[in-house]
Amino acid sequence: GAGVSQTPSNKVTEKGKYVELRCDPISGHTALYWYRQSLGQGPEFLIYFQGTGAADDSGLPNDRFFAVRPEGSVSTLKIQRTERGDSAVYLCASSLGGTGALQFFGPGTRLTVL
Amino acid sequence: AQSVTQLDSQVPVFEEAPVELRCNYSSSVSVYLFWYVQYPNQGLQLLLKYLSGSTLVESINGFEAEFNKSQTSFHLRKPSVHISDTAEYFCAVSLNAGGTSYGKLTFGQGTILTVHP
Repeated sequence: GAGVSQTPSNKVTEKGKYVELRCDPISGHTALYWYRQSLGQGPEFLIYFQGTGAADDSGLPNDRFFAVRPEGSVSTLKIQRTERGDSAVYLCASSLGGTGALQFFGPGTRLTVL
Repeated sequence: AQSVTQLDSQVPVFEEAPVELRCNYSSSVSVYLFWYVQYPNQGLQLLLKYLSGSTLVESINGFEAEFNKSQTSFHLRKPSVHISDTAEYFCAVSLNAGGTSYGKLTFGQGTILTVHP
């Protein structure tokens, strides 16, 4: 596709459930980022992939959060035992390797934990 | 660690008036600076960036921002706004690591610009 896509666009789940959020980056982009945007706040960094490996996962809030990018393209953010505080918009961005400054963002997945 | 402060959460202005959205940052090392815009029901889009060179950078739709190292600021300005500029604007920084830009962006809290007719 022409841009970064994320699915689903909206996800409603119950507290304690497991969720997966998917990101399809721009074709050819080797770098992929996940951010979380809570209501009234700017996006906060979660994790950064260069190729298949997580180069920086310092933003993951705890061990309930995990992300993978097994083939260096599509990435999945996984959240176990969801809590109400996990409710937010989860943003994915991608960029060409070596020019990490120019990040292109997807539309986000709005996660609501009831 | 770096941080970004956007001093105004909301800025209402009338059409054709000038506007300034303020951004200050804090970092112990050199940074790259960005402004992103989020129109209603759309994703974040890069508006303009400062990587190096001239401290005044411009976007294609009339916005400009000036990097002021001594004041650690990167304020966004437009001399005459349009209704279509109504959006949320985010200032962001990333580390300037040896000539390449390390990926992680640190964002401010955002400023909602509302342009009234």
